[in-house]
Amino acid sequence: EAQVTQNPRYLITVTGKKLTVTCSQNMNHEYMSWYRQDPGLGLRQIYYSMNVEVTDKGDVPEGYKVSRKEKRNFPLILESPSPNQTSLYFCASSTLTTSGVPYEQYFGPGTRLTVT
Amino acid sequence: LAKTTQPISMDSYEGQEVNITCSHNNIATNDYITWYQQFPSQGPRFIIQGYKTKVTNEVASLFIPADRKSSTLSLPRVSLSDTAVYYCLATSSNTGKLIFGQGTTLQVKP
Repeated sequence: EAQVTQNPRYLITVTGKKLTVTCSQNMNHEYMSWYRQDPGLGLRQIYYSMNVEVTDKGDVPEGYKVSRKEKRNFPLILESPSPNQTSLYFCASSTLTTSGVPYEQYFGPGTRLTVT
Repeated sequence: LAKTTQPISMDSYEGQEVNITCSHNNIATNDYITWYQQFPSQGPRFIIQGYKTKVTNEVASLFIPADRKSSTLSLPRVSLSDTAVYYCLATSSNTGKLIFGQGTTLQVKP
């Protein structure tokens, strides 16, 4: 089954304790992206990757790191989480059209993170 | 990257056609328009993508006029299960940066 998986689905942690949210896709997609969703603010892009070893900042990259060492995996790293990073996080992947446009992103189930 | 503007909310009734308009006055030549649907606590789901004129798939149509300053998502014969938030976004070619707007909450009533 074609899917994007995220782990963990729920996480409660404390300020400053490094954490990693994993994201994996089994569709051989070039493009992968991380978003956070907060009430009243909609979906905001954190980082994206157009292919292996190619990553770039989205709209809200501060406090996050990513890496793309393999095509299928795109982990999101919070080196020193703070309470303002409490949010619902989504990972997504898609192919790129011949024009280089992400097409039909498939989203993971989401990770609900609480930082106290 | 062009910012998009949509109505905050819309109401409709089952069986009606729903048209949701998105404004993107500053759209660039290499921007595409993409629409997503989102249900509570789920990730968005792709609906349709287009560049100009009309694109149709099995669930929706997308109309983009010649000046490309706006676009309209058309959902034929909506049902209660189409109650969701709909997002319009401009996507530039050769960059993966995407900006989701606030979305339109569509409420379909029986």
